[in-house]
Amino acid sequence: SQELEQSPQSLIVQEGKNLTINCTSSKTLYGLYWYKQKYGEGLIFLMMLQKGGEEKSHEKITAKLDEKKQQSSLHITASQPSHAGIYLCGAHSGTYKYIFGTGTRLKVLA
Amino acid sequence: DAMVIQNPRYQVTQFGKPVTLSCSQTLNHNVMYWYQQKSSQAPKLLFHYYDKDFNNEADTPDNFQSRRPNTSFCFLDIRSPGLGDAAMYLCATSRGQVYEKLFFGSGTQLSVL
Repeated sequence: SQELEQSPQSLIVQEGKNLTINCTSSKTLYGLYWYKQKYGEGLIFLMMLQKGGEEKSHEKITAKLDEKKQQSSLHITASQPSHAGIYLCGAHSGTYKYIFGTGTRLKVLA
Repeated sequence: DAMVIQNPRYQVTQFGKPVTLSCSQTLNHNVMYWYQQKSSQAPKLLFHYYDKDFNNEADTPDNFQSRRPNTSFCFLDIRSPGLGDAAMYLCATSRGQVYEKLFFGSGTQLSVL
C-alpha cells in the first residue's frame, strides 16, 4: 500500500525565516495535495500538484512536485506566526481514497 | 459560510455507550468521507459514500457504522466506544471527480471516559 512520509516531524522557526517541508511517497503520485490544519481543527486545502516538475505558489507558500512524481516540497518564505499549524501532504491511493502523511508541526516564534 | 459542518465540536461519552457524530454539507457533493485522526497521526479513512453507495475500508472496525439518509447529511455511529476510539473525527466531501481536493469540516473531538 502507498505511504507518505513527511519530514521534519516538527519545526520551530523564528519569524521571518524561510523553511521547507518534504513529502516522500512510496509510489508514483497522481495528484499530490497540501493541507494545513490548525491545532484541533479540520484541514484547509492549500495546493494541488499533478505534473512532474510542477510548481505552484500562493502568497508566501510554494509547493513543488519532482520530475519523478515521488517527492514534493512545501516552502514558506519569510514565515509569520499565522503560518503556524500542522502541514499535511495527501495523495490518491485509489478511487475516492486519499491517504495523508503524518504531518509537520510548525511553530513560528514572534 | 461553513460548507461542511460537524456537530458537536466536542463530544464526551462513556465507555461502551453508543455515540453518533453528524456531518452536513451545503456543497451538494456526491462523496462524503469519515476520517479518524489520533494525536500526532495521519488522518485514517474509515469509510466513504458515493451518493448512497457505502464503501467500508477493510480495516475499519465493525464497531463503526455510518448512515447517509440524504445528500446533505452523513452520520458516524460508534456502537460501543472503547478508550482507543478517542480521537478527532473528520468529515470531508468531494464532487466525485478525478484529482480534486477534499473539503473538510472542523472535526469532532471525541473523548471516552
